Amino acid sequence: SQQGEEDPQALSIQEGENATMNCSYKTSINNLQWYRQNSGRGLVHLILIRSNEREKHSGRLRVTLDTSKKSSSLLITASRAADTASYFCAFSGAGSYQLTFGKGTKLSVIP
Amino acid sequence: GAVVSQHPSRVICKSGTSVKIECRSLDFQATTMFWYRQFPKQSLMLMATSNEGSKATYEQGVEKDKFLINHASLTLSTLTVTSAHPEDSSFYICSARGSGGHTEAFFGQGTRLTVV
Repeated sequence: SQQGEEDPQALSIQEGENATMNCSYKTSINNLQWYRQNSGRGLVHLILIRSNEREKHSGRLRVTLDTSKKSSSLLITASRAADTASYFCAFSGAGSYQLTFGKGTKLSVIP
Repeated sequence: GAVVSQHPSRVICKSGTSVKIECRSLDFQATTMFWYRQFPKQSLMLMATSNEGSKATYEQGVEKDKFLINHASLTLSTLTVTSAHPEDSSFYICSARGSGGHTEAFFGQGTRLTVV
């Protein structure tokens, strides 16, 4: 499976600032999902955006999807120290339920 | 969301021994389960996909005789690392999804395997 690319690899911001992470992929997708992982723990599903959707919101999270550019972004507004974690995008190709993960962005929110 | 329980969370074993990791869907029937491996500071790499009642499909480069996967019921899949070596030390994570289109996958808490 072809891994997605994420940038930045690491991001450090002050509490209250917004954090933006980007994900790019190369294949056609069914949907794209964002996950959060605290150090040494499992993954927590954050949000899913389907290939026919362009933007989705969930609380302080905003996800965009541009299928023409094969890219997605995750925006976390008004960040908190508790948002410190690694964030991964994951996507499934047409006709498949397998998830391919991006390389992840490590976010550090400084109190 | 649905709950996937993975056990054990941490295990240390000696080289040459086998280790079994369990992945259970607690409140839904998991028609498909996925096993991933994650090295430190890296992303998740899919090892294999298993559908209940059938043989697992392994990704290229994953030895099926070394990483035995059993998905005998709709709520349980197991990964057995056989004849473990120190290079098998890693974080193993399972995920499970139910039937139906666009069903998201839910992840277990992961298992930290250390082979000494």
